[in-house]
Amino acid sequence: AQSVTQPDIHITVSEGASLELRCNYSYGATPYLFWYVQSPGQGLQLLLKYFSGDTLVQGIKGFEAEFKRSQSSFNLRKPSVHWSDAAEYFCAVGRGRDDKIIFGKGTRLHILP
Amino acid sequence: DAGVTQSPTHLIKTRGQHVTLRCSPISGHKSVSWYQQVLGQGPQFIFQYYEKEERGRGNFPDRFSARQFPNYSSELNVNALLLGDSALYLCASSPRGDRGLRSPLHFGNGTRLTVT
Repeated sequence: AQSVTQPDIHITVSEGASLELRCNYSYGATPYLFWYVQSPGQGLQLLLKYFSGDTLVQGIKGFEAEFKRSQSSFNLRKPSVHWSDAAEYFCAVGRGRDDKIIFGKGTRLHILP
Repeated sequence: DAGVTQSPTHLIKTRGQHVTLRCSPISGHKSVSWYQQVLGQGPQFIFQYYEKEERGRGNFPDRFSARQFPNYSSELNVNALLLGDSALYLCASSPRGDRGLRSPLHFGNGTRLTVT
């Protein structure tokens, strides 16, 4: 069965520090991988996606993620966080046949001034 | 350009009642999907409709149903509401075409349903 694990429920970093959010997936084929961000009271915004090709993908707002097939991971990184990055981040996997995406439980990011 | 719009934004219902949630996709988008997000969890897939036909269904009871109209807008219906149906219901649209998930999903801000 497909699943997504985000091991960190909460992460706190200082403004200007680097960030890495972890994501592991279980999937029987080449997955479609996504990172979404959700601010309070808002819907989900796509940060980046991986389908094939270069395993290091660049997204919006300065985020990047690296697909590592051997580790079944798709970790999200940002070299320097801003206070406005405080939000909930969701890793997700899809199969491509339909618009069904399986989301992880999310990681809430807190930023210290 | 208008994004995905959902109505109402908030709703309070009593156990056993019925509810209808509405979604208008981005202009030109023919696929609409519905997700349920319970507090503290990631969204869970409920349905996908493309060109007015059901293309995918998640693991939800038959109390949940949906439909898509000729203008590609969609309704999600939930009968016999339970306390556990309290959640944020998200609608997403995509152009679909032949690109599947290569066409990114655009999410609305959701309808917050509270069942008392």
